[in-house]
Amino acid sequence: EPEVTQTPSHQVTQMGQEVILRCVPISNHLYFYWYRQILGQKVEFLVSFYNNEISEKSEIFDDQFSVERPDGSNFTLKIRSTKLEDSAMYFCASSVTGANNQPQHFGDGTRLSIL
Amino acid sequence: AQKITQTQPGMFVQEKEAVTLDCTYDTSDPSYGLFWYKQPSSGEMIFLIYQGSYDQQNATEGRYSLNFQKARKSANLVISASQLGDSAMYFCAMRVSNFNKFYFGSGTKLNVKP
Repeated sequence: EPEVTQTPSHQVTQMGQEVILRCVPISNHLYFYWYRQILGQKVEFLVSFYNNEISEKSEIFDDQFSVERPDGSNFTLKIRSTKLEDSAMYFCASSVTGANNQPQHFGDGTRLSIL
Repeated sequence: AQKITQTQPGMFVQEKEAVTLDCTYDTSDPSYGLFWYKQPSSGEMIFLIYQGSYDQQNATEGRYSLNFQKARKSANLVISASQLGDSAMYFCAMRVSNFNKFYFGSGTKLNVKP
């Protein structure tokens, strides 16, 4: 069964550095998402992406964050000038369409630790 | 505003018994989808079951069923014949029309006892 893959599984970075989290969505999916989950808390939406542009973003997704689909398969989340509070599990997800009945398929996550 | 509430932070169930995990939601949008995900200790998010707001029947997927009570705005997950491998965090999520994102509840940690 096709799946969403994320790399790396764990990223440790010094505060103030930039990180890029990578995702390969399921190949026939058109909608892509990033979520984050701070340890022990609920999953929070960051951004959705369709047709090579952001379709929706949360208040968390400020100028520190950016997303890109650099080629036909990868979908990346860049976090500039990382802060301690950026430490979290970051999930990439994809769905075939944006319809209400479409589940979003999640990757295994990247655990980001900011030191 | 959209909101998902899971009021059970933790649940215990005996192996082979059934368990119900509660989820209530709030939205003024008549068109929405409700989803349940399982998150084992390894961290991945696994899609379990979906219920649409216009669906007349409760959704079922193997040992998972969804007790959908629209008037009460509840979408409880029922796991029958619990197995040790069912021990995990369970999240209820909602998606409404015109928005791409999922709204997640705070989760319920289920422990299945042998």
